[in-house]
Amino acid sequence: DTAVSQTPKYLVTQMGNDKSIKCEQNLGHDTMYWYKQDSKKFLKIMFSYNNKELIINETVPNRFSPKSPDKAHLNLHINSLELGDSAVYFCASSQDNQPQHFGDGTRLSIL
Amino acid sequence: QKEVEQNSGPLSVPEGAIASLNCTYSDRGSQSFFWYRQYSGKSPELIMSIYSNGDKEDGRFTAQLNKASQYVSLLIRDSQPSDSATYLCAVNMRGDYKLSFGAGTTVTVRA
Repeated sequence: DTAVSQTPKYLVTQMGNDKSIKCEQNLGHDTMYWYKQDSKKFLKIMFSYNNKELIINETVPNRFSPKSPDKAHLNLHINSLELGDSAVYFCASSQDNQPQHFGDGTRLSIL
Repeated sequence: QKEVEQNSGPLSVPEGAIASLNCTYSDRGSQSFFWYRQYSGKSPELIMSIYSNGDKEDGRFTAQLNKASQYVSLLIRDSQPSDSATYLCAVNMRGDYKLSFGAGTTVTVRA
């Protein structure tokens, strides 16, 4: 009964490919997030959705496109992958301004 | 100026000692403050949240907040080897859904 689950856990692919990461939460939270954690371990917000509406869109290349089919799901699609996209991507969820709960992360490696 | 700054570490303490972690933030209007622990290769895990000035204790952890000085700290008493991890300070800067994270402080507890 994982609270925030992401798939896949590992993603190894070649430069130029398109890939998706899926996230689901069963906590009943209204808000979901995507974070990127780079090799220096710095955790940075990318997007946030509240009740399926985009509320945070940081300076992220438009190759990254989030989609929220319902408030329990937030997926991330990445087009034309680049070497610099290699990182760990974390999904998180929260209710209002309460603490955020993180998924286990997706480790993306670009060859 | 970075939005959230932490003492860079790494911090090495002997078992049983107190580990002291510091964090400053730039937005005086910040309202919510969190400490997350992240083991290597794992996701961030919430260990403390604090919303008002003063101290908040939970087991061996004490968070201290001073909004006038824009400063939040975490003390880990009776440090154990299992406390060895990276500790992330996170601040809700505008009362919206965005959390800004510090770069983290890596703590090593020597047995």
